[in-house]
Amino acid sequence: QKEVEQNSGPLSVPEGAIASLNCTYSDRGSQSFFWYRQYSGKSPELIMFIYSNGDKEDGRFTAQLNKASQYVSLLIRDSQPSDSATYLCAVGQRVSGSARQLTFGSGTQLTVLP
Amino acid sequence: EAQVTQNPRYLITVTGKKLTVTCSQNMNHEYMSWYRQDPGLGLRQIYYSMNVEVTDKGDVPEGYKVSRKEKRNFPLILESPSPNQTSLYFCASRKKGLAGSTDTQYFGPGTRLTVL
Repeated sequence: QKEVEQNSGPLSVPEGAIASLNCTYSDRGSQSFFWYRQYSGKSPELIMFIYSNGDKEDGRFTAQLNKASQYVSLLIRDSQPSDSATYLCAVGQRVSGSARQLTFGSGTQLTVLP
Repeated sequence: EAQVTQNPRYLITVTGKKLTVTCSQNMNHEYMSWYRQDPGLGLRQIYYSMNVEVTDKGDVPEGYKVSRKEKRNFPLILESPSPNQTSLYFCASRKKGLAGSTDTQYFGPGTRLTVL
């Protein structure tokens, strides 16, 4: 069973603070890693992806990947109330031939307090 | 506009009454999939399709059927719905990427199904 684990939260941070979201995965063959944001009642939207060890920055968002520890994280700097949402970690794994499949974690609910 | 559409968006039905949720994408994507989302369980894949006439089971396929007769459409069929299939359902599509691919997966708006 390929697993992706996240703390369900809720995680609360004050406006302007750094929010840190964490995710671990069980399949060492995983090759691509994604963070989705989902507002209540809406569909998930992709905000970051990473596939190499290290950090990847995009605006206020930084994704961090450590394949040896099977750990991926998302940092949100200068958190805003509009960042309040559930954040889903997804991991891409090979299923057959060259095709891959995404496995999602259960999500972390983030609340940014004004 | 690139999009994935689902219909209906909301559905209330009764146990045992067959239903179909349609999904269509206009991006010529090979890969399509269906997920259900339940509180505390995240997104769980029901079925996926890597191309026309090629489908396979995901993590929770029991009680569902799919078909892929055309590239753009991937309907989800519940032959005899039961209350434990009450959930929020998402269809998604993307290009058929390699294992390390970062191709974006596009989600439909979701279908909220209630089975009484």
